[in-house]
Amino acid sequence: KAGVTQTPRYLIKTRGQQVTLSCSPISGHRSVSWYQQTPGQGLQFLFEYFSETQRNKGNFPGRFSGRQFSNSRSEMNVSTLELGDSALYLCASSWGQGTLNTEAFFGQGTRLTVV
Amino acid sequence: KQEVTQIPAALSVPEGENLVLNCSFTDSAIYNLQWFRQDPGKGLTSLLLIQSSQREQTSGRLNASLDKSSGRSTLYIAASQPGDSATYLCAVSRDGDKLIFGTGTRLQVFP
Repeated sequence: KAGVTQTPRYLIKTRGQQVTLSCSPISGHRSVSWYQQTPGQGLQFLFEYFSETQRNKGNFPGRFSGRQFSNSRSEMNVSTLELGDSALYLCASSWGQGTLNTEAFFGQGTRLTVV
Repeated sequence: KQEVTQIPAALSVPEGENLVLNCSFTDSAIYNLQWFRQDPGKGLTSLLLIQSSQREQTSGRLNASLDKSSGRSTLYIAASQPGDSATYLCAVSRDGDKLIFGTGTRLQVFP
C-alpha cells in the first residue's frame, strides 16, 4: 500500500517568487493536512482539507493557501516568498471521519529553501 | 489555547536501557493523542495512536499511556537499541484533524 507522497522533495526559490507543493494521500484517505516545521517554531499547523473543503486553518498569513482536488490530492501555494518561509513542509493524510480524528500518516516532506 | 510540552528535550542512553518519554498537555478535552518518531531530515512515522476513551496502546517494544484528567502521556521504550535513535514527538487533536505537536525529545542510544 503506497504511503503519502510529496513532491518535490527539495526546492530552492528566490525571495518574492511563488511556489506550489503537492501531496498525494494514501488511497481512500479524504483528509489532507499541511504543517510547517522549522528549528525555531517546531511543527505548526497550516490548514486541513476534507472532501475538497478547507475545514481548518492555522495562524499563517494569506500568502499561504491550499486546495484539494476530487481525488483527494492536495496542493499548497506560497506567494511572495520570504526568507522566513524556509522550512520543511509536511503533509499528513487520514480517513477524516467527521470530527473524529483518526491516525495521521505523514509524507517525507518538501524542503524549501528561500534565498 | 492548547500547549504541549515534552520532557526531557534530549536523552542519551546506552543500549538496553528501558526509557520513559513524557508528554504534557494543558487542555484535557482532546480526541486522541499520537506518538511519532522523526529521523533527521525525514517525515514523521506514526508509532501509536491512543483514542480519548483508551488508557494505553502497545506495539512491540513500545507502550504508550494516556491520562486525560492529568493531561499526561508517557511513551515507554523497552530494551532500547541504537536504531531507536530519533526525535520523538507527541501530538494531540481536538478540532477535526488538526494536530498540535509537542517540542519533541531527541533520543540517542549508543552501543
